[in-house]
Amino acid sequence: ETGVTQSPTHLIKTRGQQVTLRCSSQSGHNTVSWYQQALGQGPQFIFQYYREEENGRGNFPPRFSGLQFPNYSSELNVNALELDDSALYLCASSLYGLAGSDTQYFGPGTRLTVL
Amino acid sequence: KNQVEQSPQSLIILEGKNCTLQCNYTVSPFSNLRWYKQDTGRGPVSLTIMTFSENTKSNGRYTATLDADTKQSSLHITASQLSDSASYICVVSAESNDMRFGAGTRLTVKP
Repeated sequence: ETGVTQSPTHLIKTRGQQVTLRCSSQSGHNTVSWYQQALGQGPQFIFQYYREEENGRGNFPPRFSGLQFPNYSSELNVNALELDDSALYLCASSLYGLAGSDTQYFGPGTRLTVL
Repeated sequence: KNQVEQSPQSLIILEGKNCTLQCNYTVSPFSNLRWYKQDTGRGPVSLTIMTFSENTKSNGRYTATLDADTKQSSLHITASQLSDSASYICVVSAESNDMRFGAGTRLTVKP
């Protein structure tokens, strides 16, 4: 167990709806990164939050947004869901910034299905 | 085009045998390279992390190598066990806030 938790475990939505996914980081970690992992593919970086500020973003449209709270937990929000948004969404916590040598600890993921 | 390419895509070996997984990358400027193990339905777990100056890093039966000149890395698994069955993902970080993930190698260890 990494100490990183995510909720919900599974979620089914329909096209056009909005979804919020949650992540609690490992104790003492101040950085949370979110990833989208399609079936059979490696995770794709969505964005990272460091001390409540967005600290890097991958190639995802603005309808993917996030928040980090003072306790360093985080939310991923996706608006206007599309079928291709169906994937495993992973969050990872770490102590420092993204490009450093710190280790990221991943949560178990949220499986999102868009119908 | 993905900047991190892994091979083989999948691999089946017998328990007790060794194997080597490959990772080639074009990410630049390079910051570090990590190998993760991901069990089905679980989040990835870090195995090794290497910076530019490191060319070998071991973690138990896992040994990762890095050749920053040729932009290649390998993960060698010694004396494989059934529990090694998983996807192994190579992740390369650029100096900017961006991590590039390979698609992974699916390893199956059979008794």
